[in-house]
Amino acid sequence: NAGVMQNPRHLVRRRGQEARLRCSPMKGHSHVYWYRQLPEEGLKFMVYLQKENIIDESGMPKERFSAEFPKEGPSILRIQQVVRGDSAAYFCASSPQRWDNQPQHFGDGTRLSIL
Amino acid sequence: SQKIEQNSEALNIQEGKTATLTCNYTNYSPAYLQWYRQDPGRGPVFLLLIRENEKEKRKERLKVTFDTTLKQSLFHITASQPADSATYLCALANNAGNMLTFGGGTRLMVKP
Repeated sequence: NAGVMQNPRHLVRRRGQEARLRCSPMKGHSHVYWYRQLPEEGLKFMVYLQKENIIDESGMPKERFSAEFPKEGPSILRIQQVVRGDSAAYFCASSPQRWDNQPQHFGDGTRLSIL
Repeated sequence: SQKIEQNSEALNIQEGKTATLTCNYTNYSPAYLQWYRQDPGRGPVFLLLIRENEKEKRKERLKVTFDTTLKQSLFHITASQPADSATYLCALANNAGNMLTFGGGTRLMVKP
């Protein structure tokens, strides 16, 4: 399966711990997007990255959240000192180029639960 | 602020009928609009894309219309099947980048 791979699929953390979510884009895709889906709500954009660059992080909370997409390896969404309100499904998507009307290909998400 | 509205109530239809889902938006000038399907526990799957200068797009049993004057898109599934049961999301993007703004989705239930 050459689709977008996210891991882990489920992640449980206690309040105050760190959560690391990983995303490997489709082969040949160099653009990665992270979205968050709260229960009974729509997908909300968080951040858009290219290799080694953050292009748009307008949807990221100002504190505790960070994202990276290194030259080698998957993109990482990191949440420090998690709180109950961080419980959500986090989806990663990728595309082969910036826009030009390209559809985004989504992974099946990481479901984060905070105890 | 930008707002994208989809009917939050589930749409229940009989197999074989045409399902029509609505996406309305305000305070937005999208360059293009996309429709996705999402099944429980899965990520969204791309279905169709329509540009601002296009009125209609078709793909097999699917049809999308885009009216930038009414600020509305309609998504039609003809000859619906139980396998079409899912949540359907509309998403808008402008020319500033590839960030998609999603509506809340409409759940479609097709009964045999």
